[in-house]
Amino acid sequence: GESVGLHLPTLSVQEGDNSIINCAYSNSASDYFIWYKQESGKGPQFIIDIRSNMDKRQGQRVTVLLNKTVKHLSLQIAATQPGDSAVYFCAENTGNQFYFGTGTSLTVIP
Amino acid sequence: DVKVTQSSRYLVKRTGEKVFLECVQDMDHENMFWYRQDPGLGLRLIYFSYDVKMKEKGDIPEGYSVSREKKERFSLILESASTNQTSMYLCASSFGGQGDQPQHFGDGTRLSIL
Repeated sequence: GESVGLHLPTLSVQEGDNSIINCAYSNSASDYFIWYKQESGKGPQFIIDIRSNMDKRQGQRVTVLLNKTVKHLSLQIAATQPGDSAVYFCAENTGNQFYFGTGTSLTVIP
Repeated sequence: DVKVTQSSRYLVKRTGEKVFLECVQDMDHENMFWYRQDPGLGLRLIYFSYDVKMKEKGDIPEGYSVSREKKERFSLILESASTNQTSMYLCASSFGGQGDQPQHFGDGTRLSIL
């Protein structure tokens, strides 16, 4: 099966700092990637996506970077806020099926 | 905004019962999915459907079945509930076509089997 993992299970950052959450994927044929945010008691919420023909995509306060050479995906959150505290996980799409990582728990320290 | 609604947030059932989990989406999405989410394992796909009356097995279909009689509704059925089916169940939907469409999730049903 697919292996989608995250380098760190937990991450703590000071409010106002930038956060970087990493994800490694195993299938070089994966062509579409998504970052999700899951708050306690809620379902995963779409944050940003990127296709394999891109290296970088920016949203509001978030940037996703894709390095296909080393099969690595990262999510950067600028000026992290208390409301950003949640579990973040990546998903890769291969052959019309998504494979999800287990998540990194981000805690923002006021 | 896409709205995926799961009928129950919390559910407690007994071993051997037949359990129905309902999911409705309001965006006319072709694709619908059922996952279970367990600590340390991430989301695992149980069943999915690309169209009305159609269903496909995911990675862990054993002990489950599904029904899609209408485009907006996708039901997950536990034929005879067992304690190892205690989990968070998440429903998702997406537009059809190629795989490069994001899945949108409901808030989940936390199911406990006693």
